Amino acid sequence: DGGITQSPKYLFRKEGQNVTLSCEQNLNHDAMYWYRQDPGQGLRLIYYSQIVNDFQKGDIAEGYSVSREKKESFPLTVTSAQKNPTAFYLCASSTGRDYSPLHFGNGTRLTVT
Amino acid sequence: QQQVKQSPQSLIVQKGGISIINCAYENTAFDYFPWYQQFPGKGPALLIAIRPDVSEKKEGRFTISFNKSAKQFSLHIMDSQPGDSATYFCAASPNAGGTSYGKLTFGQGTILTVHP
Repeated sequence: DGGITQSPKYLFRKEGQNVTLSCEQNLNHDAMYWYRQDPGQGLRLIYYSQIVNDFQKGDIAEGYSVSREKKESFPLTVTSAQKNPTAFYLCASSTGRDYSPLHFGNGTRLTVT
Repeated sequence: QQQVKQSPQSLIVQKGGISIINCAYENTAFDYFPWYQQFPGKGPALLIAIRPDVSEKKEGRFTISFNKSAKQFSLHIMDSQPGDSATYFCAASPNAGGTSYGKLTFGQGTILTVHP
């Protein structure tokens, strides 16, 4: 089955530690995205990538970093500079063509204490 | 100007009833308006989407109505079922080609509960 795999489902970290969230897709999609979801709020775009070795900041990129070394993979690092890192993180992909829909993974819930 | 405002925050409907969720936007550059359905602990999944060149799109029990002049669009779920109970998000993206259609601005979400 083609899809997006995010791991782990739940992640716990201490404040001050960097943490990397995994996102892998086997849909052969060119574009990949990271969104953050907070309770009672819509999703907000963190970073996106159109092709390998290229990525752009979204609306809330501060305190986050990404890499795109392979077409299938788009890991997100939540750094200690992110002031409110506890959230539900969603990875998505699309073909990158006009009007192409986003396909989301099932998310990673990060809790930082 | 980038916001998409969604209402209501929560909605309770009886089985067989009509669920209506509304969204409004300000950015006239928005060119693509999808609706996503999300179940607890899962990622959102595309439900239905519309472009501004049509005023209505129907897929099964789900219909999007679009009013370009008012900058509003809504989701209607006919014959609502308990299995429709989920969180629904409207979204919008600008017409800037290709990857921009994934740069969605989301509404705040509506929690729909359909009672049997």
